[in-house]
Amino acid sequence: QKEVEQNSGPLSVPEGAIASLNCTYSDRGSQSFFWYRQYSGKSPELIMFIYSNGDKEDGRFTAQLNKASQYVSLLIRDSQPSDSATYLCAGGGYSGGGADGLTFGKGTHLIIQP
Amino acid sequence: KAGVTQTPRYLIKTRGQQVTLSCSPISGHRSVSWYQQTPGQGLQFLFEYFSETQRNKGNFPGRFSGRQFSNSRSEMNVSTLELGDSALYLCASSLGLAEGYYQETQYFGPGTRLLVL
Repeated sequence: QKEVEQNSGPLSVPEGAIASLNCTYSDRGSQSFFWYRQYSGKSPELIMFIYSNGDKEDGRFTAQLNKASQYVSLLIRDSQPSDSATYLCAGGGYSGGGADGLTFGKGTHLIIQP
Repeated sequence: KAGVTQTPRYLIKTRGQQVTLSCSPISGHRSVSWYQQTPGQGLQFLFEYFSETQRNKGNFPGRFSGRQFSNSRSEMNVSTLELGDSALYLCASSLGLAEGYYQETQYFGPGTRLLVL
């Protein structure tokens, strides 16, 4: 059974600091990884995706993937109060007939303290 | 470009009834996936439709079904509702290129919040 594990938090980070969010996955067949941000009462909003080992940067966000360790992380630099949300890690792959559905972790609740 | 739209946004039903939810994908997107989100189980994959065919299915009972129309719009139906079906139902669309090694990026709609009494 495919699983994605995240620490539920809450993770409390001072404003302006770096927030580090982590997840691990069980399925070695997963090739694509996504980070979504979800505000309370809203739907998930895509932050970043990563397919290759290493780092991928987009503005204040950096995603890191280590397939050997089955580990994905998201770094948020210069954290802002508006970054306070639940961050969902998801993995996905392809198996013959079509895209597998994304397997989501249960999310990490991030709180940025002003 | 307009995003994914879902209707209705809120729904209250009683046990035993059935419900149909609707999703219109981003223009040009041909794949529609449905997810259920509950506080206990998180986000779980229900099924994916591409070109009017169900391509993949998650681990949900047969009471959950769906379909896709030629314009890529999709509907999801839940029959014989149970209290545990209360959840946020999310639709996500992607290009649906059908070939490839990597999962495509999926964009979520606002969801339909279903309450079963």
